[in-house]
Amino acid sequence: KAGVTQTPRYLIKTRGQQVTLSCSPISGHRSVSWYQQTPGQGLQFLFEYFSETQRNKGNFPGRFSGRQFSNSRSEMNVSTLELGDSALYLCASSDIRQGGKQYFGPGTRLTVT
Amino acid sequence: AQRVTQPEKLLSVFKGAPVELKCNYSYSGSPELFWYVQYSRQRLQLLLRHISRESIKGFTADLNKGETSFHLKKPFAQEEDSAMYYCALSGAGTQGGSEKLVFGKGTKLTVNP
Repeated sequence: KAGVTQTPRYLIKTRGQQVTLSCSPISGHRSVSWYQQTPGQGLQFLFEYFSETQRNKGNFPGRFSGRQFSNSRSEMNVSTLELGDSALYLCASSDIRQGGKQYFGPGTRLTVT
Repeated sequence: AQRVTQPEKLLSVFKGAPVELKCNYSYSGSPELFWYVQYSRQRLQLLLRHISRESIKGFTADLNKGETSFHLKKPFAQEEDSAMYYCALSGAGTQGGSEKLVFGKGTKLTVNP
């Protein structure tokens, strides 16, 4: 099976803009989670979607949002970008029958200037 | 509160020496514990999970509920073990099935020749 794919791989935006990141899970996986990775804070959970419903959400401001489509593909959106949003955004998919075993994508490197 | 602590940011050992990467957790229920690894220029991937009680690439980890620890061990380190190691916790069994992972900050292991 093809692995988790994320697009784009790199993105440069300016403060105040918005951005949309995309994630295609492994075929058959219905759960998609998003994480933000920074040198200072490490890996932090953003949110999780299962069957087009947000099942869990981390402690991030409302500027961070996401959605999942009927084919399990997911997007996350960040509005009114701030310099501190510069990070690697990782998407992970899982088959809930495997309980917690997540497969990660390569990430999208977002730089906000 | 869910928390994972990896006290060592960096760990350096010589090839053939034993290695132990420490992980302590805080969770009010019955967590599932994982070790994820990220080799240079590769994506984050699962190394092992406590529920499987398996040994992967010579690594083992035992869940100690009394000490709330899940240390990763290998008796004889190899140069190819050099990577970033993350301990992670999931409450998938008690979070309404949520696949959310809480990660430690990671330990960078370097195995010197």
